[in-house]
Parts: sequence; structure tokens; C-alpha cells
Amino acid sequence: DTAVSQTPKYLVTQMGNDKSIKCEQNLGHDTMYWYKQDSKKFLKIMFSYNNKELIINETVPNRFSPKSPDKAHLNLHINSLELGDSAVYFCASSPEGKLGGNTIYFGEGSWLTVV
Amino acid sequence: GQNIDQPTEMTATEGAIVQINCTYQTSGFNGLFWYQQHAGEAPTFLSYNVLDGLEEKGRFSSFLSRSKGYSYLLLKELQMKDSASYLCAVRDDGGYQKVTFGIGTKLQVIP
Repeated sequence: DTAVSQTPKYLVTQMGNDKSIKCEQNLGHDTMYWYKQDSKKFLKIMFSYNNKELIINETVPNRFSPKSPDKAHLNLHINSLELGDSAVYFCASSPEGKLGGNTIYFGEGSWLTVV
Repeated sequence: GQNIDQPTEMTATEGAIVQINCTYQTSGFNGLFWYQQHAGEAPTFLSYNVLDGLEEKGRFSSFLSRSKGYSYLLLKELQMKDSASYLCAVRDDGGYQKVTFGIGTKLQVIP
């Protein structure tokens, strides 16, 4: 009964390839996110969707394209992978409304290594 | 935007008490979170403060002063398993209430 699940957990790929990471949440939350954690462990938001609508789009290269087919899924597609894309990508979700402070629940992370 | 500062590393002894500080400068504020992240794992929620004061939850407590832009996480009776990174995160008061994380404080608990 995993709350936020993402696949694959580990991904090693060559520069220039295109890859996707999938994410699903079974918490009934309205908001989903992609965060990137680099080698310095800094966790930075990339995108946020609310009910399939893109609401936060930080300064991210347009090689990164999120897609939300429904409010329980948020996938991340990356084109023309570069060495600097190597990082851990965390999917997350949070409920709507201010009750409970919109706590963010994270998936286990996808370790991407570009060689 | 948000600017969040916390020490990068701390060391404390098993059984002791440790306080991890976080200061923030924000264009809008609507709550502060503390998350724990063990190496190789996802961040997990510890606490949330939106009003001034102390919130206690077992061995962990979190304090907030909105006027000073300051929070701390207090860990009592430290255990070896508390060795982890502790992330301070601030939610803004914009329409989408974005949450921004600090760099995290890596705590090492020693015997």
C-alpha cells in the first residue's frame, strides 16, 4: 500500500538519450510535484500540478517535460540527457486546502546517472 | 522569493539534546516544515508550524518565531538512528503556496 510510488528507482543512461520517470499516488491528493536533489543534497522544486493543471514551473530546461494524465499520475520525460542531469528525482504529493498544512509526501526517489 | 539558512553539519552525542536552527527571509509566509532524510532515502515529514510557539511531538519539538524569521528543531534523547539530514522548508502565501527547502543540516550522532 505504497502512498507515492515512482519507477524506475535506478536509471543509468548515456548522454543524448531520452528517458521517462513515472509516478503514481494513491492518497487521493490533488497536487503533485517533481523535485530534483543534486549531489550537494539541495532539494529544488521543478514542477507542480494541481488536478492535472500545471501550476508551478521553475526555471527548468525545456528538455524536461512533465505530463499529468490524471490527478493520481505525474510523469517526467527528459530529452537529450546531459551529464548535469544526474541527480535524484523525487515525486511528491500533497492534499488540497490548509488543514494539515499541505504536508508533502515523497516517493522513494529515482536515481538517474547520465554517463 | 525564499532564502533559507541552516547549518550544513552538526555532531552530537547519543543521549544528548541538539538544536538545529533555521532562519528564513521570504516574500510571503504561510508555514514552516521540518523533514528528516536518511541517506539514500526520501524526506519524511516531522513537524509543521504556522503560529508562533513550540510544537512538541515525542522526542522532537519545533519552534517558530515569525517576527524573527526563525525556527529550530529540538531533538532530545538522541539515538544513533537520528543520524540524518534535517531539512527546513518554508511555504509561501501565494496562490499555489509553493514550498521551498533549505540545504539541510546533516546531523551525526556519535556514541
